[in-house]
Amino acid sequence: QVQLQESGPGLVKTSETLSLTCTVSGVSISNYYWSWIRQPPGKGLEWIGYIYYSGNINYNPSLKSRVTISVDTSKNQFSLKLRSVTAADTAVYYCALDFRGYWYFDLWGRGTLVTVSS
Amino acid sequence: DIQMTQSPSTLSASVGDRVTITCRASQSISSWLAWYQQKPGKAPKLLIYKASSLESGVPSRFSGGGSGTEFTLTISSLQPDDFATYYCQQYNSYCGFGQGTKVEIK
Repeated sequence: QVQLQESGPGLVKTSETLSLTCTVSGVSISNYYWSWIRQPPGKGLEWIGYIYYSGNINYNPSLKSRVTISVDTSKNQFSLKLRSVTAADTAVYYCALDFRGYWYFDLWGRGTLVTVSS
Repeated sequence: DIQMTQSPSTLSASVGDRVTITCRASQSISSWLAWYQQKPGKAPKLLIYKASSLESGVPSRFSGGGSGTEFTLTISSLQPDDFATYYCQQYNSYCGFGQGTKVEIK
């Protein structure tokens, strides 16, 4: 059974860096495509970025200057770093799996709420 | 930048009703559209991909249609478990979501 689990600090200070990890179980991270997506409280979904284990990465142009996504095949994990955060970055952050590389999301983690506050 | 617009934003319906949600793209996305269902406090769940392909395990009362710039998600007979928020997502150019349609009990 494939599972994704987000982890990381639930509170980040304004102007600092948000760091999250997605741990994947039940499938090798080396075979598929992985994304981060976020959802501000009470609002809609926003795609952040996309990585294939070989290093092919795409970012949402609106966030590209502040985002880094990386993969650690030895730990079967991938990670998100979002720099210079503000209150507008407060959201539930989801990691997600795309089995076929078509850029839609077959399976999602449960999500983790990150609050940005001074 | 492709904009996705869903209508209505909220839909009130009863169990057994036929329900249709519309999603419009600001430019043609061929059939590169997915639909998700999200319940409060839960992650979205994939229902439909490539505009009309039903994800494995999703009940057949869900169906998707359309191509180009106009798409629909139809629930043929609304069930109690279907009250949720539904999102469309284009994947023709990067990824972008509609703002969501909440299906609530009438």
